[in-house]
Parts: sequence; C-alpha cells; structure tokens
Amino acid sequence: EDQVTQSPEALRLQEGESSSLNCSYTVSGLRGLFWYRQDPGKGPEFLFTLYSAGEEKEKERLKATLTKKESFLHITAPKPEDSATYLCAVRRVQGGSEKLVFGKGTKLTVNP
Amino acid sequence: ETGVTQTPRHLVMGMTNKKSLKCEQHLGHNAMYWYKQSAKKPLELMFVYSLEERVENNSVPSRFSPECPNSSHLFLHLHTLQPEDSALYLCASSPSHAGGPPMGYTFGSGTRLTVV
Repeated sequence: EDQVTQSPEALRLQEGESSSLNCSYTVSGLRGLFWYRQDPGKGPEFLFTLYSAGEEKEKERLKATLTKKESFLHITAPKPEDSATYLCAVRRVQGGSEKLVFGKGTKLTVNP
Repeated sequence: ETGVTQTPRHLVMGMTNKKSLKCEQHLGHNAMYWYKQSAKKPLELMFVYSLEERVENNSVPSRFSPECPNSSHLFLHLHTLQPEDSALYLCASSPSHAGGPPMGYTFGSGTRLTVV
C-alpha cells in the first residue's frame, strides 16, 4: 500500500535556526514527489517537483532533495514568514490513472 | 489568487440541508479534483474528472455528488451530511490526469464546511 510519512509533526524554530523536514515514502510506480506549502485557511501552494534520486531544487531559503526512499526539505536561516504547514505528496501512475498520495504534513513555526 | 476559485469560502449547514460547492479554473487544465482535508489527517482524494468524465471515485458516500459540466467548472453537491463530514474541501486542477511529465496540482483556497 502506498504510504507517505512526514516527520516531525510539528517543529518550532528560532529565526535564523536552520533545520530539515523529512518525507519518507513507499509507493510503486513513482512518477514524481511534490512539496507544497499551506497557510492557515488556504489551499496548498506548489513549491517543488522532484523526479529522480539525487535531484535537488532550491527556492529562496528552501532546498528539496530526493533519495530512493525519502525527501528532505531543508530550511536555511528561516524567517517568521516561513511559518506554515509543509506537505509532501508522491505521484503514482498505474494503469492509465494517476494519484497524488499526501502525507499529514509538518507544521513549522518560526519565532522572531 | 491561484487561478482556481472556490465558493463559498465558508458554509454552515444542517444535516437535512442541500447545498453545493463550486470550483472554477481558468488555467486551461483538463483534469479537476475534489479533496477532503480533516484535522490530523492527510488530504483524501474524493473524485477525479478528466476531460469532464469522472475517472475516479474513492469510495465516497453517496451524500456527496460531483458534477463537471465543462472543463472549467466542478461542483460538489451535498445532502443529508453528517457532523463528521465537517472539513476543508479543496478543489485542484492539473494539465492532464495521466501521462506526461509530473506537474504540480493547482489548488483553490477551499471551502470550510461545518455540519451542525
């Protein structure tokens, strides 16, 4: 069964304190891993797509990496405006049908 | 605005009411999705429409009835809901449902539904 597990559930950082969020997955027929950011009362906002092991993507203070079993979202010198819930999802394509399987998310709080 | 608009943003309904959620996208996408987001749970896929045809129904109770009149609009008709149906209902769209390079879904801001 496809599974996506994110850890930790919640993370509190001081402004400037770098850290990483983890997304481990088991899925057959993986066709991409996605990271989203979700602010309270809003829908998820697309951040990155990673296609294959060893790939890395960067955007401002965020950097996403991918291995065969997990992905990390590294946050360098975070600011309070980085506070949000970060969601990981894997895309599976099977028999002409695709599905995005989501994790529960990591709620990040960055204190000034 | 992301290009996917959901209305209403908030909805309170009684268990005997009938209401509808609306989703509209102007991105030229061919696939649209309904997701349910409950506290402490992952997003749950409810329905998938590809080129206006329903291609997936993830064992959703019949009190939820989707409708896709054209590729830009998606509705979720609600009737005789239960309190446990209270959640954030998210609509998303993507260029295509299967095949091609992985593309991120574009989500709307959701409808916060409370069933009393």
